[in-house]
Order: sequence, then structure tokens, then C-alpha cells
Amino acid sequence: GNSVTQMEGPVTLSEEAFLTINCTYTATGYPSLFWYVQYPGEGLQLLLKATKADDKGSNKGFEATYRKETTSFHLEKGSVQVSDSAVYFCALSDRGSTLGRLYFGRGTQLTVWP
Amino acid sequence: EAGVAQSPRYKIIEKRQSVAFWCNPISGHATLYWYQQILGQGPKLLIQFQNNGVVDDSQLPKDRFSAERLKGVDSTLKIQPAKLEDSAVYLCASSLAPAGTTSTDTQYFGPGTRLTVL
Repeated sequence: GNSVTQMEGPVTLSEEAFLTINCTYTATGYPSLFWYVQYPGEGLQLLLKATKADDKGSNKGFEATYRKETTSFHLEKGSVQVSDSAVYFCALSDRGSTLGRLYFGRGTQLTVWP
Repeated sequence: EAGVAQSPRYKIIEKRQSVAFWCNPISGHATLYWYQQILGQGPKLLIQFQNNGVVDDSQLPKDRFSAERLKGVDSTLKIQPAKLEDSAVYLCASSLAPAGTTSTDTQYFGPGTRLTVL
């Protein structure tokens, strides 16, 4: 089946530190991969996505590379800001399906201190 | 462009009562999803509509949950009767993807309805 495993949180960093949030997946087909972010009191927002192997998604200084050989899609940012404090969700969608449902990881809480 | 709207934002009920949630997707979006997010977990799909037809309700507990999407626009999710384990945030999302397309489409999420069952 389809599933996503994220590193356990919470993650606490100082401003300007390097961030990595690990994400690995299991998929029956050939998935598209996503990172969503949920800021306090708000809904989930798409942060970035990649639809095929070796694609790199990027947005707002965040990056993630679709690694088919390691079934991973780790999220990275070189220098975090206080405003990046949020919950981050890794997700996949089976591209071979017309249904488009997302399978989410448990989420990783990130707190950035000034 | 207006986002996905949901109401109410918060609801507290006692077990065995009924409750309904409302969602208004982004205008023109063919596909609508309801997800359940239990505290500490990622969202899980309950039901998916394309226009006003159900395309996936395999994870919906049909003995107590029901949903409809009249005229292919707004949607209502109902729980009757509620159980303690239904306490969660109920998220509505929509995407542009029309029927028959494989979906790498972005799903846009509403703010959610936080349900507490006492």
C-alpha cells in the first residue's frame, strides 16, 4: 500500500540554523511527492512538490529532491527563520490513479527561536 | 481568489449527538475532499467527490458518517451519532482536476473544523 514516514518531532532550532526533516515513502505505483505546511490557526498549504525521480521542488528557500532509489523526499532549508515555525507534512499521491488522494505522514512540528 | 471556506471553525458536542460541517470549495474546482486529522496524526481521506459524484468513500465509516455535494459545489459532512473517537479536525480541500485525469494537482485546504466530542 501507500504510506509516508516522517521523522519524529518536535524539532527546535535557532534562527539561521540548517533544517532537515526526513521523509520516506512506500508506494504501490509511481507517486508524486509533496510537502505541506500548516501555520498556527491556518489550513494546510502546499510548500513544494516533485512529480518524478530526481526532480527538485523548491519554494521560500525550502528544497526537497525526489529520490526513487532511497524512496525519500527530505525537506531542507539552509537558514531557518522564526516565521518558519509550523507543522510540516510530507505526502504522496499515486500518479497512476485518477483519484488523487493524498497519503500524509504524521507531521513534524518545527519551532525556531530568535 | 477566495480560498476554501469551512464552517463552523469549532464545535463541541456530547457523544451520541449529531453534527454537520459545511465546505465551500474554490470556484471552478471539480474535485472536493474531506479529510479527518486526529491530534498527532496526518490527515486521512474520508471521501472524495468529483463534481457531485462520489469517487472514493472507502475510508468513510458509513454507519455514522455521510456526505453530499449538491450541484457540484458546496459540500456537507455529517456525523450521527458521534463517538468520542470522532474528536478531530475535519479538513475540506479542493482541486481543479476534472474527472478522468491523473492527479498531481495541488489540493487547496480550508482552515478546518475542530470537533470535540465529550
